[in-house]
Amino acid sequence: GESVGLHLPTLSVQEGDNSIINCAYSNSASDYFIWYKQESGKGPQFIIDIRSNMDKRQGQRVTVLLNKTVKHLSLQIAATQPGDSAVYFCAENWSQNRDDKIIFGKGTRLHILP
Amino acid sequence: DTAVSQTPKYLVTQMGNDKSIKCEQNLGHDTMYWYKQDSKKFLKIMFSYNNKELIINETVPNRFSPKSPDKAHLNLHINSLELGDSAVYFCASSQEPISSYNSPLHFGNGTRLTVT
Repeated sequence: GESVGLHLPTLSVQEGDNSIINCAYSNSASDYFIWYKQESGKGPQFIIDIRSNMDKRQGQRVTVLLNKTVKHLSLQIAATQPGDSAVYFCAENWSQNRDDKIIFGKGTRLHILP
Repeated sequence: DTAVSQTPKYLVTQMGNDKSIKCEQNLGHDTMYWYKQDSKKFLKIMFSYNNKELIINETVPNRFSPKSPDKAHLNLHINSLELGDSAVYFCASSQEPISSYNSPLHFGNGTRLTVT
């Protein structure tokens, strides 16, 4: 069935350290993956995306890694800052039987320690 | 200068009532969506419209009826509200019919619906 899940529901990271948020997906036919950040009281905000023909993509302080062999996605945040505190969602472009939609994982809360 | 705006932000109502949530986007996008986020933060798609035409309709009770008067607006009407409808409802938009590379979803800030 549809499943985009995360290994850790809560991640605590020291300010200045790097954060790694992991995600497992189930649909091998998914061709596009996205990370969203949701701050308290706000809607999810796009961070970075990656197509299935890539294994790495870098943005400003963020890197997404895709391992299709094990159906694993990760988001790396360099030099984590207090403003990075949020819930992070991975999402996939679910494509099956002419059914195309973006489905979200369960989310990981990133907590920054001072 | 909000790109995707929803009203109201909070909605408290009693069981059995009918309520509507409005959404507008000024991004010029062709596709709009409604997502529901439950108390565990799980986000699930409900509907999507492309140029006023329904293209995704997930397994949602028919008490929920989306309406798109034009491609910049997608409203959600809910009849006979139930306790289980309590959640945060997010409107979103994207340029492409299916959010794709370089066409991510843009979300509003949500409407927190509480049914008592």
